[in-house]
Amino acid sequence: GDSVTQMEGPVTLSEEAFLTINCTYTATGYPSLFWYVQYPGEGLQLLLKATKADDKGSNKGFEATYRKETTSFHLEKGSVQVSDSAVYFCALRTNTGNQFYFGTGTSLTVIP
Amino acid sequence: DTAVSQTPKYLVTQMGNDKSIKCEQNLGHDTMYWYKQDSKKFLKIMFSYNNKELIINETVPNRFSPKSPDKAHLNLHINSLELGDSAVYFCASSQDPGGSTEAFFGQGTRLTVV
Repeated sequence: GDSVTQMEGPVTLSEEAFLTINCTYTATGYPSLFWYVQYPGEGLQLLLKATKADDKGSNKGFEATYRKETTSFHLEKGSVQVSDSAVYFCALRTNTGNQFYFGTGTSLTVIP
Repeated sequence: DTAVSQTPKYLVTQMGNDKSIKCEQNLGHDTMYWYKQDSKKFLKIMFSYNNKELIINETVPNRFSPKSPDKAHLNLHINSLELGDSAVYFCASSQDPGGSTEAFFGQGTRLTVV
């Protein structure tokens, strides 16, 4: 079945460090891939998405590239800030499915 | 203008009670969802409606009953609440039931059963 496997946390980084959160997927068909961010006490917000192979999604300095050959969609940011502290979720949606499949979430804490 | 709004944001209630959570979206979307997030942040789909019709009904106790009076609203009623129902419940909506569009989430309802 369709699923997302996400790097387990928690992750703690110093400000201005490089961030990578790994995400791999299993899907039938041709999924769209998403990264969501959840700040404390809030709902999930879309961070970025990619809808086909080799697409790169980007937003607020975050990037992820849809790699069909490795079934991956790793999230990266070159220089994290304290305000990036949140839980990050990788998700997929197939073109035939009715739901979103979420990874287990990765908690990121950035310290000054 | 809030795109997906849920009420209440916090709900504390005793075991055995019946409670409802309301959700409304003003995005004109056709599909709405209920997700449950446990204490470890894991998100589990509960239900999905498309144009007021139930299209996903995961393995959820039948004490949970969704109701969609129109495609902009999806409410969740829970009977005979149990301690294990304590969680954050998220409503979400998307443009179509399958495809490339993202889901928009509400702020969540933190349910605490005591």
